[in-house]
Order: sequence, then structure tokens, then C-alpha cells
Amino acid sequence: DVKVTQSSRYLVKRTGEKVFLECVQDMDHENMFWYRQDPGLGLRLIYFSYDVKMKEKGDIPEGYSVSREKKERFSLILESASTNQTSMYLCASSLPPWQGNEQFFGPGTRLTVL
Amino acid sequence: DQQVKQNSPSLSVQEGRISILNCDYTNSMFDYFLWYKKYPAEGPTFLISISSIKDKNEDGRFTVFLNKSAKHLSLHIVPSQPGDSAVYFCAASARLIQGAQKLVFGQGTRLTINP
Repeated sequence: DVKVTQSSRYLVKRTGEKVFLECVQDMDHENMFWYRQDPGLGLRLIYFSYDVKMKEKGDIPEGYSVSREKKERFSLILESASTNQTSMYLCASSLPPWQGNEQFFGPGTRLTVL
Repeated sequence: DQQVKQNSPSLSVQEGRISILNCDYTNSMFDYFLWYKKYPAEGPTFLISISSIKDKNEDGRFTVFLNKSAKHLSLHIVPSQPGDSAVYFCAASARLIQGAQKLVFGQGTRLTINP
């Protein structure tokens, strides 16, 4: 079974803090993604990566950065957390589309910024 | 601009009856559609998908129908069971660079199955 793990289930941070969210997948997937889920808005793509050290902006990258130094690990960084970044953050991984279209999600990290 | 829309935030169905969840999309370039199911405090799990070259795909109690001319898809669950109570997300696939695939999600529909 594909396993995607996220470092924390719940996090509480203060405005202005630097926040790291870690994601690890164990299936050798090339593609990894970070989404945030907010009520009434569904899941929105923040950043994705299609290879080690490669990253591309998604639909809502402002206020975030990412790092992919190893194939299995994809980190989301909030340089200076703000209250509007309070959300559920979901990491996902996938094979290339010609090998399958599903993305496999981690359990999520609920981040609260005070 | 919401390219994938689920216009019903919630749906309540009696156990044993059919649940029908609807989804509309605007981008005719989408070529693959998926449904995900999400329980509280868990990540979404893949349920069923359909390619744009088909109009129906069935997997056990779950059937997805695609109407390309109307840009509409639906998920049918029959018979509905209490364990089906969850939030269901419709997603459409769009190609990104270097073979990565982007999923564009709807807002979700909370399905409640009543005993």
C-alpha cells in the first residue's frame, strides 16, 4: 500500500513564526503536492514537485515555499505565518499520468496560527 | 474562478437508498475525473475514476457517470450504507509540466446516511 505520512497532525503557531510541514512517501513517486483544504473551497494546490529539487507554483503559492532535497520528502514552509494560513494542509504523491491518475494523500496537518 | 463545482454542500439519504452526488466543470481540457472520499481527521482516499473517453464506470456499489456535452458528472452509491457518511470531493485532471498531473477539486459534498 502507498503510504504518505505527515510530520504532525496538529500544530499551533504564533503569527510571524516560521513553520515547517514535512511529508514523506514510501512508494518512489516522482510527483508530490501540497494542498490546503478550507470549508467551502475544497482542496487548493499550493505547490508541486515533479522531481528532486524541482518545484512549481500551484494556484495559491503566496506566503509559502517548498523544498524537495530527496525524492521521498517534500516540505512546505511558511516563512512568516499569518492567521489566514490557519487551515488543513494535505500532502499527496502520484506516479506520472501514464502510470495512473490517482493521487495518494497523507492524513493532513491541521495548522492553527494565533 | 471555480472550474469544478459541487453545488450541494450536503446531502442526507436513508440507508439502503441511492445516493447521487453531482459535479459540474467548466474546462473542456479536463481528460480524467476522480471521486475522493474524506472522513474527518483523515486525508482523502481515492474512490473511483473515469476517463473522458468513457461515459460510465462501475466498481461495486459505486458508479460514476460522465456527460461531456453537459460538462457534468455524478457519483451513484447504491445501496447506501452508514459507513458511506463522509465528505465527497469531485476532482478533474489537468496536465502540468514534466508529466505531473494537477487535480482541480470541487468544494465537497457532505453525505449523511441515516439508519
